[in-house]
Amino acid sequence: DGGITQSPKYLFRKEGQNVTLSCEQNLNHDAMYWYRQDPGQGLRLIYYSQIVNDFQKGDIAEGYSVSREKKESFPLTVTSAQKNPTAFYLCASSIRGGGYTFGSGTRLTVV
Amino acid sequence: GENVEQHPSTLSVQEGDSAVIKCTYSDSASNYFPWYKQELGKRPQLIIDIRSNVGEKKDQRIAVTLNKTAKHFSLHITETQPEDSAVYFCAASRGTGNQFYFGTGTSLTVIP
Repeated sequence: DGGITQSPKYLFRKEGQNVTLSCEQNLNHDAMYWYRQDPGQGLRLIYYSQIVNDFQKGDIAEGYSVSREKKESFPLTVTSAQKNPTAFYLCASSIRGGGYTFGSGTRLTVV
Repeated sequence: GENVEQHPSTLSVQEGDSAVIKCTYSDSASNYFPWYKQELGKRPQLIIDIRSNVGEKKDQRIAVTLNKTAKHFSLHITETQPEDSAVYFCAASRGTGNQFYFGTGTSLTVIP
């Protein structure tokens, strides 16, 4: 449901490993976003993209990377430089000036 | 940048009572204020929003008020029901760039 799909739902990362979280939308939305959700800290913006082949850093971009090669897709890579990656990651998309539609999230755990 | 503060962080009410959640923002250029409801283990869902040219908006048991002068906006839920129990997030945006700044969330519990 919702038109925006995140996968996987659960992901486990070993120390020093890069992992990629998938986000795909079929809503024809121009803008896409990645947020990290930690208990008591609300939603913090990692990266966002308003158009294909363009993206900007959010408030907590260090240790993360993204690409936007297609309008429908906005994958997030959590690199080994991110020292505390355990969190719930939410992808969202929107039309200009409108509210967000969120994906169902990926829970990443370091093992 | 924008700074959004949300209070209270937790709220418990008896079924049938009203619940009020308040948010303040710092950027006077913000002009779009959505509210999201996140049930346990699920994605946030937009429940109501308000734009800066409006002071109040209602949708059945839910209402949002905006005071641009004071830079605060509030969510009001009347006749609360157990299914209203969730975490509620406010957000502020300038609209054009559409980047949202979220509050830290309010965990609402409605006691049957």
